[in-house]
Amino acid sequence: EAGVAQSPRYKIIEKRQSVAFWCNPISGHATLYWYQQILGQGPKLLIQFQNNGVVDDSQLPKDRFSAERLKGVDSTLKIQPAKLEDSAVYLCASSEGQFLGGYTFGSGTRLTVV
Amino acid sequence: AQTVTQSQPEMSVQEAETVTLSCTYDTSESNYYLFWYKQPPSRQMILVIRQEAYKQQNATENRFSVNFQKAAKSFSLKISDSQLGDTAMYFCAFIPIQGAQKLVFGQGTRLTINP
Repeated sequence: EAGVAQSPRYKIIEKRQSVAFWCNPISGHATLYWYQQILGQGPKLLIQFQNNGVVDDSQLPKDRFSAERLKGVDSTLKIQPAKLEDSAVYLCASSEGQFLGGYTFGSGTRLTVV
Repeated sequence: AQTVTQSQPEMSVQEAETVTLSCTYDTSESNYYLFWYKQPPSRQMILVIRQEAYKQQNATENRFSVNFQKAAKSFSLKISDSQLGDTAMYFCAFIPIQGAQKLVFGQGTRLTINP
């Protein structure tokens, strides 16, 4: 089966600019997650979707970050405006329902804010 | 809140040696899963091994095994006959079966296998 697809793979932007990341989960996976991984740290959950509804966005900086999952399939994560501390790898993962067999991760987008 | 702690930021061993990575966690839940993930330079998180908390038997997957001590909240990973391809970041992770099912990661251990 195809894995979790993410694009772009790399992105460099200046602070105060906006950026968007795209994720296509495994077909049939109802749950989708966005994680932020700052260099040298473990991934931190930003937002969790169940189909096209938000389950948990408690750690999403809502003043600058937004995410949507239209039609319960693809998802986009946007940052506007970006700050230097947003430099990180943004990982997307998906799972069947509410965690049955584990998460499958994409290869992430490495964002550098200069 | 659940927390996961990996106390070894970096480890290095020679090829074919055995290495053990440490992980401790804190939770009030009684039913949960524990995982070890491998993250090579490609950045994709790859599941190495999984342990259900209600199972007393330690999980094994080929050269990878765990030592799960529920009372001590300890979950270490042993890699036997290490190979150059095992070089990567390793993350310990936790998820409760009930309630807010979010996967919580430790800080990671950078493992280098030397030829």
